[in-house]
Amino acid sequence: AAGVIQSPRHLIKEKRETATLKCYPIPRHDTVYWYQQGPGQDPQFLISFYEKMQSDKGSIPDRFSAQQFSDYHSELNMSSLELGDSALYFCASSAGQLVSGYTFGSGTRLTVV
Amino acid sequence: RKEVEQDPGPFNVPEGATVAFNCTYSNSASQSFFWYRQDCRKEPKLLMSVYSSGNEDGRFTAQLNRASQYISLLIRDSKLSDSATYLCVVAMDSSYKLIFGSGTRLLVRP
Repeated sequence: AAGVIQSPRHLIKEKRETATLKCYPIPRHDTVYWYQQGPGQDPQFLISFYEKMQSDKGSIPDRFSAQQFSDYHSELNMSSLELGDSALYFCASSAGQLVSGYTFGSGTRLTVV
Repeated sequence: RKEVEQDPGPFNVPEGATVAFNCTYSNSASQSFFWYRQDCRKEPKLLMSVYSSGNEDGRFTAQLNRASQYISLLIRDSKLSDSATYLCVVAMDSSYKLIFGSGTRLLVRP
């Protein structure tokens, strides 16, 4: 069965650079969520989109922005990267806004040097 | 104070042991409760939802006490493959984001 696809799997950037993470939800899933998991930390909610509109916002820095496109894929844009942005970034998708229906992607590991 | 608190462990148990994890949550408006499993450097995967009446899935039993704002997970007959971090997760119907606890690490030894 198709899963949530995230790209790239790994990314190394220098401080102050920009990064773009991509998420392709499960077919027919219309809701996308982004989470950040720092080393030894639990996943923290960043932002979510339902039907291409932002539906909820968590602890996402102003340096980050995200959007969901017409094909339901989503991109997380991160600018002025800081060392503290090094983390695993997970995307999850669901059909409708169902907390019980989450499926997570394998994540993008971002390392800022 | 974190919204969802868990004992970080690690719990180091022999194969076949029974182990219990506890979790407390601070927001009484929480409506949905889950246990997720996360292997090292992998994505969280849903282990089971937790219902007020308690529920069981094979060797796994989850309990919810809304009055005490307490959730538990019992694993019977532990297997080596159960070694992972177990995340207690809550959500509110008014928001569709998941709130994770810091996780409890389980190590099952031969």
